[in-house]
Amino acid sequence: NAGVMQNPRHLVRRRGQEARLRCSPMKGHSHVYWYRQLPEEGLKFMVYLQKENIIDESGMPKERFSAEFPKEGPSILRIQQVVRGDSAAYFCASSPQRDTQYFGPGTRLTVL
Amino acid sequence: DQQVKQNSPSLSVQEGRISILNCDYTNSMFDYFLWYKKYPAEGPTFLISISSIKDKNEDGRFTVFLNKSAKHLSLHIVPSQPGDSAVYFCAPGEGGSEKLVFGKGTKLTVNP
Repeated sequence: NAGVMQNPRHLVRRRGQEARLRCSPMKGHSHVYWYRQLPEEGLKFMVYLQKENIIDESGMPKERFSAEFPKEGPSILRIQQVVRGDSAAYFCASSPQRDTQYFGPGTRLTVL
Repeated sequence: DQQVKQNSPSLSVQEGRISILNCDYTNSMFDYFLWYKKYPAEGPTFLISISSIKDKNEDGRFTVFLNKSAKHLSLHIVPSQPGDSAVYFCAPGEGGSEKLVFGKGTKLTVNP
């Protein structure tokens, strides 16, 4: 049973470009969560999604960030017009219901 | 304002001895508590959890203790092994909410 998959593992963007991070949950998991980790910090919750629905986006910056979890395909975290402060590790987690969250390996975004 | 504090950034113990990692929280609404272990360049791996109705949960070498009145929990690893060397995160959650609130982590080093 494959774990949570994230790609790319590393992403380099120049300021002003768009970043798209993908997350495929574990088989049978319908809940997806995105977290961000800045250097020397813990993970910070960004958004919680179920299929085709955003349930809680209280941790998402108001501008430039969006997330989706379509009926088919992976969940996407999209960052438009990236800035240097967006450089971080972005982790996706999934769970079958309200249950333990299992994390993917993360995408390390570097903004030049 | 940090809701979850792991006051020891690092801890070093000898192989075979006990490792005790501590976590304090301020939000009395937290009702389940998870511990994650994280190696560099990987995602957090779920270790053990405890709900607020219990004060102890044990799984092999890992035991978590919860003191609700003190808003304190601890993770005990005994005997410690070199492979336990990693960063450990305390991550409580609140019933009705799906987001986990992570501490900044404690880096455990187990010396052979």
